[in-house]
Amino acid sequence: GAVVSQHPSRVICKSGTSVKIECRSLDFQATTMFWYRQFPKQSLMLMATSNEGSKATYEQGVEKDKFLINHASLTLSTLTVTSAHPEDSSFYICSARDYHSDTQYFGPGTRLTVL
Amino acid sequence: AQTVTQSQPEMSVQEAETVTLSCTYDTSESDYYLFWYKQPPSRQMILVIRQEAYKQQNATENRFSVNFQKAAKSFSLKISDSQLGDAAMYFCAYRSSYSGGGADGLTFGKGTHLIIQP
Repeated sequence: GAVVSQHPSRVICKSGTSVKIECRSLDFQATTMFWYRQFPKQSLMLMATSNEGSKATYEQGVEKDKFLINHASLTLSTLTVTSAHPEDSSFYICSARDYHSDTQYFGPGTRLTVL
Repeated sequence: AQTVTQSQPEMSVQEAETVTLSCTYDTSESDYYLFWYKQPPSRQMILVIRQEAYKQQNATENRFSVNFQKAAKSFSLKISDSQLGDAAMYFCAYRSSYSGGGADGLTFGKGTHLIIQP
């Protein structure tokens, strides 16, 4: 199946700093990518839809100024958590939609810990 | 807004036996997609099976099959001949058939933790 990578897999940062997470589709082009957040022992919650070459669409309650999304190419979307605080600590998962198979493939996730 | 409900936080089954995981959903749309994803301890989400709402035939993938009841808005997953490697969190998910504006993101249920007893 198609492969989606995320980098880094783990990151620990101090409160107030910004953290960038990359999501790449390795063997297919993805005009649409998605960012999800998963708290411990909970489900995945869609944060935003990332569209190549245009602005992201954010779900209700997600601060667009705090979670900056850039989808600059057909294989790369980035999520930047700005001025991170301990409550932003979570597991962030991206997925990329393969247009031809109309299937979403998930990355392995990034564990963010804000001290 | 669509909602997905998994009423079984945890299920346990003996190896080689059959287990059924429940999922119900609520939507006003007539066309949509339903999925079951598996999340093992590695946290990697793995697609198990997919069902298009317009198809009456239940999807099957080897030992995995679904019972899709559109009128009842029910989408259960049956795992036959359970194996130790099936142990994981299982999430039921809904996706609209519409595109754009976040409509094609997935809405997940809370998940069912499946334990396989040797």
